[in-house]
Amino acid sequence: EIVLTQSPATLSLSPGERATLSCRASQSVSSYLAWYQQKPGQAPRLLIYDASNRATGIPARFSGSGSGTDFTLTISSLEPEDFAVYYCQQRSNWPRYTFGQGTKLEIK
Amino acid sequence: EVQLVQSGAEVKKPGESLKISCKGSGYSFTSYWIGWVRQMPGKGLEWMGIIYPGDSDTRYSPSFQGQVTISADKSISTAYLQWSSLKASDTAMYYCARVLFKNWFDPWGQGTLVTVSS
Repeated sequence: EIVLTQSPATLSLSPGERATLSCRASQSVSSYLAWYQQKPGQAPRLLIYDASNRATGIPARFSGSGSGTDFTLTISSLEPEDFAVYYCQQRSNWPRYTFGQGTKLEIK
Repeated sequence: EVQLVQSGAEVKKPGESLKISCKGSGYSFTSYWIGWVRQMPGKGLEWMGIIYPGDSDTRYSPSFQGQVTISADKSISTAYLQWSSLKASDTAMYYCARVLFKNWFDPWGQGTLVTVSS
């Protein structure tokens, strides 16, 4: 089973700052990687798919990059509503899907 | 608007059975896989299984095979997740989601909280 490891576990930043979240796969997942945002009491929301494509309605400040085993989600300038938990997810060997353990982005 | 609406919260005792639902609207329900995801209290996301409502082809995560049953009724655009004998460790939020391109989960239902307690 492919394991996704996210870092850091918690990221403390201020509004307006740039956020960089990492997701590392235990073996190559090509570009089969997505990012989700989950706010307290809400369902997850798809942000990025195929490693770098923004989902419908996602602001341009969110961007994804990487391929193979190393991936990054970047939020260029944090808005107050961006503070949440972020998960990466892979599906390199259908139908096997796994999620990372999450990164909590909190207000500093 | 594509929407998945899940059934309401449940409180059950250990050993009881349960079936929760997920109704899709705003798209061709039979043309996309539907997935189920568990989130235990304060924890991350775990994929449980997927079903293709068009022909009821179902695939399970090895971690959940034999523990739950996923089904669908395409005539009413509804997918189901069921347990025959609940355990306290089944206490969690359960989400359904449409599977895009067989890869990604979007959108998600609002979640169904299942609490199992004696």
